[in-house]
Amino acid sequence: QKEVEQNSGPLSVPEGAIASLNCTYSDRGSQSFFWYRQYSGKSPELIMSIYSNGDKEDGRFTAQLNKASQYVSLLIRDSQPSDSATYLCAVFTGGGNKLTFGTGTQLKVEL
Amino acid sequence: SAVISQKPSRDICQRGTSLTIQCQVDSQVTMMFWYRQQPGQSLTLIATANQGSEATYESGFVIDKFPISRPNLTFSTLTVSNMSPEDSSIYLCSVELGRAYEQYFGPGTRLTVT
Repeated sequence: QKEVEQNSGPLSVPEGAIASLNCTYSDRGSQSFFWYRQYSGKSPELIMSIYSNGDKEDGRFTAQLNKASQYVSLLIRDSQPSDSATYLCAVFTGGGNKLTFGTGTQLKVEL
Repeated sequence: SAVISQKPSRDICQRGTSLTIQCQVDSQVTMMFWYRQQPGQSLTLIATANQGSEATYESGFVIDKFPISRPNLTFSTLTVSNMSPEDSSIYLCSVELGRAYEQYFGPGTRLTVT
C-alpha cells in the first residue's frame, strides 16, 4: 500500500462546478496535511494546510480532514479554467519526519 | 512565504560529469530540502539539509552521488555526481516556513543528461 494515494485522473469538471479531489494515507499517526497545486512546467505551490479534523475554508478552496478514515480532500468551488493543474496531496509523517507526496490528480476545468 | 531561487534553471550535461545546483532563500531558515521529480511523477525527497549538521539522506540516495552543502541559513547546494541519463529529472529545493511543516518550493532545475 502506498503511503499517500490519489486518483491520477484526469478529473474533468465544467467551469463553475465544484471539483472534489481526494487523498488517503496509511500512517495513522500523521498530523499535518497539505495540498499543493502544480502547473505544467512549474514547481508545486502550497494552497492549503490542515491539521485537525473537519473543514478549513480559504476563498474557493475547502480542505476536509477525517483522521479516523485517514482521508483528506480538497474542494474547489466555482472552478475556473485557471484551476487546471495537478493537485498534490502531502502528508507529514512524524515517524519519518518528512513530507510524503501522493502522485497527484490532474484537474481539467472545461469551458 | 519566502522568495526562493535556484540556479541553473536548466542544463544539459554529458554523462559522467557533475552539476552543482544552488538554492538561495531571502530569509533565514533552519530546514531546507532537496527533491527530485521525474517526468510525470511525484516528488521524491533526496535529503534534508540543516545548517551546521550533515545532510540526512533518504533510502536510495547516497552522499557520494548527491553531496549537499549547507554553509549558512539562506543557502544550500546539491551536486549530482557522475551523471547518467537516469538522473535526468527536475531537482527542487524547498524550505520549511510558517506553520508547522509547511514547505515552499523553489522554481526547480531541469536537468537533462545525454
